Amino acid sequence: QVQLVQSGGEEKKPGASVKVSCKASGYTFSSYGISWVRQAPGQGLEWMGWISTYNGNTNSAQKFQDRLTMTTDTSTSTVYMELRSLKSDDTAIYYCARDVVVAGIPVYWGQGTLVLVSS
Amino acid sequence: QTVVTQEPSFSVSPGGTVTLTCDLSSGSVSTNYYPTWYQQTPGQAPRTLIYSTNTRSSGVPDRFSGSILGNKAALTITGAQADDEADYYCVLYIDGDTLVFGGGTRLTVL
Repeated sequence: QVQLVQSGGEEKKPGASVKVSCKASGYTFSSYGISWVRQAPGQGLEWMGWISTYNGNTNSAQKFQDRLTMTTDTSTSTVYMELRSLKSDDTAIYYCARDVVVAGIPVYWGQGTLVLVSS
Repeated sequence: QTVVTQEPSFSVSPGGTVTLTCDLSSGSVSTNYYPTWYQQTPGQAPRTLIYSTNTRSSGVPDRFSGSILGNKAALTITGAQADDEADYYCVLYIDGDTLVFGGGTRLTVL
């Protein structure tokens, strides 16, 4: 079955960077893309961006374009999300999610990774 | 900027039927937006209920259904149960490369 297992929670200082991993299993890795979605405490879901695991192409929401990097390692079936210049309002649970039919629309979800940004 | 709007809250009686909607600030929602619906309970990752307008995700009971109603995407829950009490989110695929989530609907079953 499809499984997405994310790395553990992180605590960072403002201005630092965080890199979250998402290891996929149970399907052909390069056949489906991965989106990143975050959820601040008590808030709704926010789409950050998407990466093709086939060729590494990315799309991202405009608000993240200058500090978000998504990469893929086909040898380990792992996708990475790095967010730079962290601010306190980047405190959130970060989810990776695999698409099914249309590139980017999440259907299968990871368990989430809490990133806490605090001085 | 595109805004996707959902009802902030809704309430349904056990056994009742409720329809949640997903509206687009810039026009009508169609199947071209591949509306997708998620259920989230506290402390859990989202669970996909419906994708591409009306395709139920694996394991989702058939009392959950998706459609286009008028100019909005809709999620209908028929025969609501206590464990349907949750937050429900829709997402739309905009301009071929961007996703926008709605703000979510908190559903109460009482």
